[in-house]
Amino acid sequence: DAKTTQPTSMDCAEGRAANLPCNHSTISGNEYVYWYRQIHSQGPQYIIHGLKNNETNEMASLIITEDRKSSTLILPHATLRDTAVYYCIVRAPLFGNEKLTFGTGTRLTIIP
Amino acid sequence: DAGITQSPRHKVTETGTPVTLRCHQTENHRYMYWYRQDPGHGLRLIHYSYGVKDTDKGEVSDGYSVSRSKTEDFLLTLESATSSQTSVYFCAITSGGGAANVLTFGAGSRLTVL
Repeated sequence: DAKTTQPTSMDCAEGRAANLPCNHSTISGNEYVYWYRQIHSQGPQYIIHGLKNNETNEMASLIITEDRKSSTLILPHATLRDTAVYYCIVRAPLFGNEKLTFGTGTRLTIIP
Repeated sequence: DAGITQSPRHKVTETGTPVTLRCHQTENHRYMYWYRQDPGHGLRLIHYSYGVKDTDKGEVSDGYSVSRSKTEDFLLTLESATSSQTSVYFCAITSGGGAANVLTFGAGSRLTVL
């Protein structure tokens, strides 16, 4: 799986958009970008994933650059409940064997 | 989390004692995983299962064994617990099948080995 690089920590004001970057310059053509988050002491939670087109769901938007070497997770109107560690993961969708490798992620703190 | 439960949620034990953590799912998913989480290391895969009686090692499997005799249960055993196995353990499940195949995690089991 391709390696990812994320900032260790970020702050964002409540109500503003939180933009979390991820660098994955060695991504392969069949690898997807996945985002999970982990709120303090809970299990990680899936947020969104994409291949090359921008994606949006009820939780967030995912913007992937045209060369696919980096992406940004956007939480459009951050709330205090979005304070968490966010993990960016890149891997090919092998059927079934989901041996995801989680790095240390970005610790996002939403400031009141 | 809906469909996946871990037990016990908290356990304190002494070095050298055996410990078994249980992961139970009601989703009938084929794939189950055990991760551990430690400060500065993120989540690391211990073992995973791709079906009843079918298991394989992850990146940090030493000192751990697993068993899966039923689809719904995946057990993680520490035969002789050591202090280095003090950690938070997460079970995860997935149904398999393509890019939309994502992990659902349990709430975690916090293990302290004294």
